Amino acid sequence: ETGVTQTPRHLVMGMTNKKSLKCEQHLGHNAMYWYKQSAKKPLELMFVYSLEERVENNSVPSRFSPECPNSSHLFLHLHTLQPEDSALYLCASSQGPANYGYTFGSGTRLTVV
Amino acid sequence: GENVEQHPSTLSVQEGDSAVIKCTYSDSASNYFPWYKQELGKRPQLIIDIRSNVGEKKDQRIAVTLNKTAKHFSLHITETQPEDSAVYFCAASDSSNTGKLIFGQGTTLQVKP
Repeated sequence: ETGVTQTPRHLVMGMTNKKSLKCEQHLGHNAMYWYKQSAKKPLELMFVYSLEERVENNSVPSRFSPECPNSSHLFLHLHTLQPEDSALYLCASSQGPANYGYTFGSGTRLTVV
Repeated sequence: GENVEQHPSTLSVQEGDSAVIKCTYSDSASNYFPWYKQELGKRPQLIIDIRSNVGEKKDQRIAVTLNKTAKHFSLHITETQPEDSAVYFCAASDSSNTGKLIFGQGTTLQVKP
């Protein structure tokens, strides 16, 4: 493990379900990120949290709701998703404004049926 | 905002040959440029990075060059090996000072034995 842990690794959910993705980092980083990785597309930034404050919401639909209760934990709450939301959701952390490289988690492979 | 273009999308080389992947960016305020390697089914991992006050950086068989005037940077892999086969992503920091990275579309590198 690299210090960023994501759970669950795989998730299958129906369009009417509510589920949450969890990310945890023990690197002492102060910024955390959610990215979406779909086949044949670049990594798409979804949300940025810096010092537990959301500083970016990159035009993400409201069916995705992030939560950052402290600097070590990040959640992505999901509800009424669409099949096109199926993707790999990657969490990352970094030292933040100093522009250090990210450490990624292993991702959650989400399938919406 | 920042936009990053990456080429080529796929690259096939013979073992022992060199591989070069190029990226261009749009935001002249970007000052941090990491490269990530993602093997099949695994998380992206930082392999090398460069800051805007440096023109070139090398780490064993991997090197990165940066041309700030032209706003492009490149990854060079020499003496390629089959285990170099993966998807490579370039990224550039944006000027928001949140530590946010904008990623290129990725290059699938295949090294043939």
